[in-house]
Amino acid sequence: DTGVSQDPRHKITKRGQNVTFRCDPISEHNRLYWYRQTLGQGPEFLTYFQNEAQLEKSRLLSDRFSAERPKGSFSTLEIQRTEQGDSAMYLCASSLGGGQGDSYEQYFGPGTRLTVT
Amino acid sequence: AQSVTQLGSHVSVSEGALVLLRCNYSSSVPPYLFWYVQYPNQGLQLLLKYTSAATLVKGINGFEAEFKKSETSFHLTKPSAHMRDAAEYFCAVSFSGGYNKLIFGAGTRLAVHP
Repeated sequence: DTGVSQDPRHKITKRGQNVTFRCDPISEHNRLYWYRQTLGQGPEFLTYFQNEAQLEKSRLLSDRFSAERPKGSFSTLEIQRTEQGDSAMYLCASSLGGGQGDSYEQYFGPGTRLTVT
Repeated sequence: AQSVTQLGSHVSVSEGALVLLRCNYSSSVPPYLFWYVQYPNQGLQLLLKYTSAATLVKGINGFEAEFKKSETSFHLTKPSAHMRDAAEYFCAVSFSGGYNKLIFGAGTRLAVHP
């Protein structure tokens, strides 16, 4: 168990550019979540995958945001035409869910800090 | 709708003193409750969780929390603070049927003085 990993850890981009982040969950975990955390705030839910299916998207996830989880393994979060307001820490978490095996615990990665200049 | 309120964005204690971080929740269905800790430039680490078993929950690093349904509270305590406890602490709620997504409070920054 190597934990949840995220890449890159830091990203600086200019306004209007596209960026893509990657999350590798704990290998046996079927649930994957993306959260966004701005300075001085708690994380806010963005989207949820169960295996490869994206089952819920927050209203925070505008049309410029898209997330995928091909084959139910790693996930990517893409932001198109970045804006300064997108500057935040993007956190990925995974868990094992469903049935009697649901531990309810989410394990978080170290996050990707995005700065839009 | 579910929500979490953490009273006190900053708490300062002396080393060896009691730590009390307050969390109140709002939920229309039985909640699952969590405390996470975040050190600078790191992700979140689970301290403890309440998932409808014992109401007094013990976690890592000597922390514990008590679920009080009548008060809709889940306060975090530690009898004796250590310097290494200085961090940001987040209370969160989730519920079955909501894909267990976490709804976080705004966080409480704990400072520990020698």
